[in-house]
Amino acid sequence: EAGVTQSPTHLIKTRGQQATLRCSPISGHTSVYWYQQALGLGLQFLLWYDEGEERNRGNFPPRFSGRQFPNYSSELNVNALELEDSALYLCASSLEIGRQNEQFFGPGTRLTVL
Amino acid sequence: AQSVTQPDIHITVSEGASLELRCNYSYGATPYLFWYVQSPGQGLQLLLKYFSGDTLVQGIKGFEAEFKRSQSSFNLRKPSVHWSDAAEYFCAVASWGGSNYKLTFGKGTLLTVNP
Repeated sequence: EAGVTQSPTHLIKTRGQQATLRCSPISGHTSVYWYQQALGLGLQFLLWYDEGEERNRGNFPPRFSGRQFPNYSSELNVNALELEDSALYLCASSLEIGRQNEQFFGPGTRLTVL
Repeated sequence: AQSVTQPDIHITVSEGASLELRCNYSYGATPYLFWYVQSPGQGLQLLLKYFSGDTLVQGIKGFEAEFKRSQSSFNLRKPSVHWSDAAEYFCAVASWGGSNYKLTFGKGTLLTVNP
């Protein structure tokens, strides 16, 4: 069974540009979560999508947005990039909503903003 | 609001020695707790989880963790560390408010294993 996949592996952008990160969940999983792992800040929850809807959002500005497609894959968009957006962005997927549903993580996209 | 504290930023142990990584959580309801491991350049892999029942939980790679409600702790242990265990370890608590569900992570403990 294929795991969670993310693309691209690395992404280099300059300040003010837009970045698009992609995530494909495990087959059968309907929930997708996005996390930011910045140096010194640990893992911070960004967004949760389930069945095409945004269900929850972390404490991030509106220039962080995303969507989930009918096949449950997801896209994270970061507009007006700032230097502090440089981080590893992790995507996770899980079965339908439920407290006991384990989140499976992808390898991440390393975003560097110059 | 829920929170997770991992007091040790960096721990160094010798191969074959025992290991305990500390985790304290703050959450008003019954906690659902997790330990994840992250090897360099990799995503997170689940080591073990606690939802209910037996407070001593067995995980993969020989790890175990004990839930102690009175101490709000969920410490990770391994009796004999292998060099391949060198990685960063994250404790997390799941929270549920209405339709909102998320994992809150600690800042991680970096484990170095000396030969």
